[in-house]
Amino acid sequence: DTAVSQTPKYLVTQMGNDKSIKCEQNLGHDTMYWYKQDSKKFLKIMFSYNNKELIINETVPNRFSPKSPDKAHLNLHINSLELGDSAVYFCASSPRVDSGYTFGSGTRLTVV
Amino acid sequence: EDQVTQSPEALRLQEGESSSLNCSYTVSGLRGLFWYRQDPGKGPEFLFTLYSAGEEKEKERLKATLTKKESFLHITAPKPEDSATYLCAVEQGGSEKLVFGKGTKLTVNP
Repeated sequence: DTAVSQTPKYLVTQMGNDKSIKCEQNLGHDTMYWYKQDSKKFLKIMFSYNNKELIINETVPNRFSPKSPDKAHLNLHINSLELGDSAVYFCASSPRVDSGYTFGSGTRLTVV
Repeated sequence: EDQVTQSPEALRLQEGESSSLNCSYTVSGLRGLFWYRQDPGKGPEFLFTLYSAGEEKEKERLKATLTKKESFLHITAPKPEDSATYLCAVEQGGSEKLVFGKGTKLTVNP
């Protein structure tokens, strides 16, 4: 029983394409996040949702659009992919921040 | 701006050789400091949360401590299975987000 699951695990696509990454958590947590880990392994927050409501939107290009159909799901859609979007994207969830996040296993996106 | 600096970037130890990892931070109104472990190809795994200076937490061979400016992750008699990247993160009160350091890659040789 995977607590936070992301699909796909690997995604290779050409520049200019549109792609989506899906995330689901079965922990009953209210808050979900998207983090980006670059080639230097630096983890940086992109978005967070609390009970389907957007609460954090860092300085992320408008090409990135999160969608939360319910509190167990947080998807990430990326338009017009660029080479610089290549990274590992992690979904995470938490009942509240100070209890620690539970991370998914990541989606490695490669834009060629 | 919040900053989290971890040192060293990489650390190689022999099995049984104890050491410490450092996380220094600058944040106003610290709400919590977090330690995570990340194995290659996997997501970070939560280890500890520390809330106030002087607090300590332990888990197996790991012990985390916190001062007003830094946190240490002490590893006692490490084993090869402790090899991983250890990430430190801080949350500023009211920010609802974690700011991560770049991590320390620990390798424990048998």
